[in-house]
Amino acid sequence: GENVEQHPSTLSVQEGDSAVIKCTYSDSASNYFPWYKQELGKRPQLIIDIRSNVGEKKDQRIAVTLNKTAKHFSLHITETQPEDSAVYFCAASRSGGSNYKLTFGKGTLLTVNP
Amino acid sequence: EAGVTQFPSHSVIEKGQTVTLRCDPISGHDNLYWYRRVMGKEIKFLLHFVKESKQDESGMPNNRFLAERTGGTYSTLKVQPAELEDSGVYFCASSQDRSYGYTFGSGTRLTVV
Repeated sequence: GENVEQHPSTLSVQEGDSAVIKCTYSDSASNYFPWYKQELGKRPQLIIDIRSNVGEKKDQRIAVTLNKTAKHFSLHITETQPEDSAVYFCAASRSGGSNYKLTFGKGTLLTVNP
Repeated sequence: EAGVTQFPSHSVIEKGQTVTLRCDPISGHDNLYWYRRVMGKEIKFLLHFVKESKQDESGMPNNRFLAERTGGTYSTLKVQPAELEDSGVYFCASSQDRSYGYTFGSGTRLTVV
């Protein structure tokens, strides 16, 4: 089955700096890669996703890149703010068809220091 | 629209007891998923319903776990009898279309003592 590795497990940055979280996946058939943000005590929320026919996607301060050949994808947050502090999870799946379960990484605790 | 609702938000039970978790998906969402996060580990898939049918239950740990979705609306996840290793946060999620990301509930934190 699919296996997703996520690094680092914790990340501390100064406000205004950039943060990068990296994930690798094992199943070459995976074609959908969402990122979820979970603030303390709240639900995981989808912040951005990318499909395998795209190499990069950007939404304001957040961007995701995908390298299908190397089977890794990354989340980039620029100009970090204290409210970006949360646990971030990457995930991978084969979208469509009958199998649509997400395989998650272990999460990255991002702390943005004011 | 109302989000995915789960209750209870917290449950503390003794080993050997039974607990039932409930999930109300977003209205109209045929796909309903259960996931679990054990302390410090990844969020792991448990099962997937399409309407009232179990599409994939490959992630269910063992036969102490029983999920139902009668009528294709809300779903329940029963753990009987509960063991210490069942402690964790149980998340429910729903989606309208399998091709898009889904919406999670806030989770039920289960503690078995």
